[in-house]
This record gives sequence, C-alpha cells and structure tokens, in this order.
Amino acid sequence: EIVLTQSPGTLSLSPGERATLSCRASQSINNNYLAWYQQKFGQPPRLLIYGASSRATDIPDRFDGSGSGTDFTLTISRLKPEDFAVYYCHQYNSSPHTFGGGTRVDSK
Amino acid sequence: QFQIVQSGAEVKKPGASVKVSCKTSGSTFTPYSIHWVRQAPGQSLEWMGWIHSDTGKTGYSEKFQGRLSITRDTSASTTYMQLNSLRSADTAVYYCARSHLGGGFDPWGQGSLVTVSS
Repeated sequence: EIVLTQSPGTLSLSPGERATLSCRASQSINNNYLAWYQQKFGQPPRLLIYGASSRATDIPDRFDGSGSGTDFTLTISRLKPEDFAVYYCHQYNSSPHTFGGGTRVDSK
Repeated sequence: QFQIVQSGAEVKKPGASVKVSCKTSGSTFTPYSIHWVRQAPGQSLEWMGWIHSDTGKTGYSEKFQGRLSITRDTSASTTYMQLNSLRSADTAVYYCARSHLGGGFDPWGQGSLVTVSS
C-alpha cells in the first residue's frame, strides 16, 4: 500500500499569504495519479486537483498542483478567507487507494 | 448535473450490520465507478471499495474483505454499502463518491453517520 505523508500538519497564515502544502508518497505514483481535496467542517471533501496538476471544474486559479514521482505540492497563491480548511492528497494509482493525513490551514 | 444523495444516520449495536444507500441522479455520458470512503471522528479519509456502474464489478480494500459488500440497483440508480460485524471502531461518516473522468472523486454524497455503540 502506498503511504502518503502530508506536511505540515497545520499551517497558520493570514489572508493574502501563500500556502505551500506537501504530500510525499512511500513509492512512486505512476501517471501522476494524485488528487487534492479541500474539506470544511461538516462537509464532504471537494475535488480541487486531479492528475497532480489539473484543476477541477470551477476551481480558482490560485490553487496550483505540481510534482511527480513521490513528491507533490499544492500551492494556494493568495489565501482568501474561504480557503481556511483541511486539505488531503489522494493517490489512485494503485489499490488500495490511500489518503494523506491532511494539512489544516488556519487563520493566524 | 450529476448529484448524489445518501441515506440518513444510523445507530447500531456491536456485531450488527449496516446498509447505507447512495442514490445518483443526472446525466452522464460515460461509465463510472462509485467509491466508498469513510472518515472516523477527527481522522483522515479511508478508502473502502468501489463498484462499476455498468458491469457491477467490485473491488475492496483488504482491510474490509469478508465484512464489506457493495451492490447496486441500476433500476433505482442506487448503490449500497453493507458492513457486517460492526465494532466501535467503525463509527464514522461514510461517503460515496463518483470517479471523476480525469481522476479522483467528484462529486461526493453528503455523508452518512454510522454510530456503533452498545
């Protein structure tokens, strides 16, 4: 099973700042089959990025996914108040699908 | 627009079974899979298994082999997740989600809270 390790666990930032979230895989993820989700309290996850770098429908361009192999990054260029949430990475390259432990982005 | 609505919250005793439903609506031009993912209180997401909309083929996480069954009723556009021999560690919100054409899961159902308690 591919283990995904997200860092940091919590990121405390102010609106307008840049957020950089990391997702490291225990083995290479072929075809960049990696997605990122945003989850707010009491809501289901929302797909942000698939294929490591493609934005899902209606996702603002301040969300940017990058990386390959075992190291992936989600960057939020200028945080807006609605971006404070928990973010998860997800690999769908091999079974079982696995998720990272999450990074919480909260307001400083 | 493709939408998913799940069944309501359930409270079960240890050793019992639970069956959660996931009703889909809206047009889709390509076959898809429905995946089940759970989230224990304060925890991350855990993938459980999937079913293909057309073929009914299923796949399960080994962690749940023997306890988990995912089925579908195409006439009702509904997928079901049944988990047997429940224990307190199975207390979680259970989500169903459609496979996104480019990868990942989108959209997701609203979630169904299953509480296992004596």
